[in-house]
Amino acid sequence: AQSVAQPEDQVNVAEGNPLTVKCTYSVSGNPYLFWYVQYPNRGLQFLLKYITGDNLVKGSYGFEAEFNKSQTSFHLKKPSALVSDSALYFCAVRVLYNQGGKLIFGQGTELSVKP
Amino acid sequence: DAGVIQSPRHEVTEMGQEVTLRCKPISGHNSLFWYRQTMMRGLELLIYFNNNVPIDDSGMPEDRFSAKMPNASFSTLKIQPSEPRDSAVYFCASSLVTAPTGELFFGEGSRLTVL
Repeated sequence: AQSVAQPEDQVNVAEGNPLTVKCTYSVSGNPYLFWYVQYPNRGLQFLLKYITGDNLVKGSYGFEAEFNKSQTSFHLKKPSALVSDSALYFCAVRVLYNQGGKLIFGQGTELSVKP
Repeated sequence: DAGVIQSPRHEVTEMGQEVTLRCKPISGHNSLFWYRQTMMRGLELLIYFNNNVPIDDSGMPEDRFSAKMPNASFSTLKIQPSEPRDSAVYFCASSLVTAPTGELFFGEGSRLTVL
């Protein structure tokens, strides 16, 4: 079965420091991987995705993610964290059907950036 | 450009009452998803439509839950009768069937509280 795991419930970072939010995946076939962010009382917002090609994917708000096939990981990174990055982050894998496909989400990681 | 629109944003009801949540997908999108978010279970896919046809309803918890998509611009999720354990945030999302590796676009959610 296709799945993603986020091993950390919470990540704490000081403003200005680099941040990493971890994600590992288990898929059969090609992995289609996504990161979303959720601010309090809001819906999920798309950050970035890996479909194929370059292992380093750049996305919104200065975030990037590194796809590592040998380690089956897709960690989210940012060189310098902002207090405004504090939110809930979800990793997801897209499971394809004959037409379209659904997203299966990890359990989420709460990122807290302190001034 | 309007995003995914959900209503109501908040619903408080008593156990046993019928609840109807509504969703208007992004114009032109032909895949629609209903997700439920709780602290205990995270984000769960309830049901998924392609071109108004249910493709995967394996996540629907029980017969008290039903979903319809009478046309390309409207979907409902109904709970009858509601129970306190149904309290959650319900998200609707849409995407393009012809872009199976594309991202899903989420609404702001409907927060349901069943007393």
